Amino acid sequence: KAGVTQTPRYLIKTRGQQVTLSCSPISGHRSVSWYQQTPGQGLQFLFEYFSETQRNKGNFPGRFSGRQFSNSRSEMNVSTLELGDSALYLCASSSVSNTEAFFGQGTRLTVV
Amino acid sequence: AQTVTQSQPEMSVQEAETVTLSCTYDTSESNYYLFWYKQPPSRQMILVIRQEAYKQQNATENRFSVNFQKAAKSFSLKISDSQLGDTAMYFCAFMKLLFTSGTYKYIFGTGTRLKVLA
Repeated sequence: KAGVTQTPRYLIKTRGQQVTLSCSPISGHRSVSWYQQTPGQGLQFLFEYFSETQRNKGNFPGRFSGRQFSNSRSEMNVSTLELGDSALYLCASSSVSNTEAFFGQGTRLTVV
Repeated sequence: AQTVTQSQPEMSVQEAETVTLSCTYDTSESNYYLFWYKQPPSRQMILVIRQEAYKQQNATENRFSVNFQKAAKSFSLKISDSQLGDTAMYFCAFMKLLFTSGTYKYIFGTGTRLKVLA
């Protein structure tokens, strides 16, 4: 069974640009969550999608948005990038019947 | 709001020895789950162990065990017979099911970087 796949693995963007990150969950998983990981801050919850609907949102500015498609794949978009957005972005998927979150390897975003 | 605190940013242990990682949390909930996740240098977060709050018995997975003290809101991870492959960042996480939306919400600590020394 394939795991959670995140693309791209690495990304370098310039301040002010926008970026889109992709996450393909484990087959059959309908819940996809996104986290921002920075040194010293741990993992900060961004949002969670289930069946194409955002069910939960963390405390991030509106520049951070996401969506989920009918095949459960999810994308995360960050507009008007700032230097502080440099981080590892992790995606996790889970099934309805299991509390375990399965993580992808993340996308390392560097804003210069 | 729930919070998770890991007070040990870094730890080291000799191979084959035992190490305990600390985690405390704050919540007013009575039903929740606690987890320890491991993040090796490859960045892949892997579930180490899970504890349901309603269970008094401490969870155990091979060399990994927890000491769950619900009243004290403490959830420490003990790694026995440490191996070089245990070198990683370890995150403690609190999770509750939001019944209104049916979603899970995880709250993670800031992590403890564990290095196993040969």
